[in-house]
Amino acid sequence: EADIYQTPRYLVIGTGKKITLECSQTMGHDKMYWYQQDPGMELHLIHYSYGVNSTEKGDLSSESTVSRIRTEHFPLTLESARPSHTSQYLCASTTTRGGTDTQYFGPGTRLTVL
Amino acid sequence: QKEVEQNSGPLSVPEGAIASLNCTYSDRGSQSFFWYRQYSGKSPELIMSIYSNGDKEDGRFTAQLNKASQYVSLLIRDSQPSDSATYLCAVIVSTGGFKTIFGAGTRLFVKA
Repeated sequence: EADIYQTPRYLVIGTGKKITLECSQTMGHDKMYWYQQDPGMELHLIHYSYGVNSTEKGDLSSESTVSRIRTEHFPLTLESARPSHTSQYLCASTTTRGGTDTQYFGPGTRLTVL
Repeated sequence: QKEVEQNSGPLSVPEGAIASLNCTYSDRGSQSFFWYRQYSGKSPELIMSIYSNGDKEDGRFTAQLNKASQYVSLLIRDSQPSDSATYLCAVIVSTGGFKTIFGAGTRLFVKA
């Protein structure tokens, strides 16, 4: 059973606000990811990290930033939220121990920007 | 060309039938392949992983891999209405530092 947590689960916020979506995992996984997914649509990788102090942008152009100061924590920040940011944000983590590289997903944060 | 391609569906099968889901990938160096299931409004969850050519069976699920054809499939035997979901194919590609690339997913409906 994977232990990966995201908060808040739901967030409704006004345009221009700064928000941080939290993601934490207690499994000691080295790799962590943020995906954006609209209802019924595909996953889009927006950021990933292969370890502490390592962050990379994904394939989807994003106005968000991430940090990885601790192994277990990978927060996503939007400096100025816009209605186009309305979506589901999924955090995931993997470990390469055992050679499996399986991704475990958190429950997601559904963000609505008014 | 997308790195991982799936037929978006929807694929509709009657209860008890075999559902066949297909996926092709472009990176010949890929070695790790996964199938995830995603129910509407939920997060993806892993159902199968496969690393070697051939078949891998787990209960009602069978993953098939053909690296020469760059093709991976998932068979669901004795399909149940509870199998209705979107199935995501995922491939670890060697370009860009071994990233996991997800396909767009195939929606499966199992009719009772």
